[in-house]
Amino acid sequence: AQSVTQPDIHITVSEGASLELRCNYSYGATPYLFWYVQSPGQGLQLLLKYFSGDTLVQGIKGFEAEFKRSQSSFNLRKPSVHWSDAAEYFCAAHFGNEKLTFGTGTRLTIIP
Amino acid sequence: GAVVSQHPSWVICKSGTSVKIECRSLDFQATTMFWYRQFPKQSLMLMATSNEGSKATYEQGVEKDKFLINHASLTLSTLTVTSAHPEDSSFYICSATIINEKLFFGSGTQLSVL
Repeated sequence: AQSVTQPDIHITVSEGASLELRCNYSYGATPYLFWYVQSPGQGLQLLLKYFSGDTLVQGIKGFEAEFKRSQSSFNLRKPSVHWSDAAEYFCAAHFGNEKLTFGTGTRLTIIP
Repeated sequence: GAVVSQHPSWVICKSGTSVKIECRSLDFQATTMFWYRQFPKQSLMLMATSNEGSKATYEQGVEKDKFLINHASLTLSTLTVTSAHPEDSSFYICSATIINEKLFFGSGTQLSVL
């Protein structure tokens, strides 16, 4: 079955440290892939998306993600996190049936 | 985990009719619900934020009279697409949250207007 998995429910990193949030999908082909961020009390904001082409995608707020077909992964990275990055992050995928499937989310906590 | 039920999953209607989509939080009381719209192969577009007992806050460019949102209780929000037209055909998805807690998504509604 088609699915999106975010293995980490909660991640804590120090301000200034690097970040990687994991996302894996299960699908027979390459889906369209998205990363969204939700700040407390807010709706979702699109960070970046991958449709095809260059597998390293640059997004807003200094985030990037790399699509790895061999690992069915689309991990989100940031070289140096800021306190304002504390939020919930969702990976999502289109599996060709037009519906968007979300992962369960990863909560990011930033410590001083 | 928390469950958000969205109904119906698919709806086909004639142009000019109205369609109601329900979003229910089944095992928690959602203080806030969000309604999104998505065009094929595009990212989500936030339409409105709905807090229980108060009027929804619509995003710029979203017609309030076209997309009526009601959040009458802590477990139910409805989106009514009034006088639907083919350009309203889209995928609509709701999400629900408690203050400072995770966001949970409905399974979405595919609307096709003939």
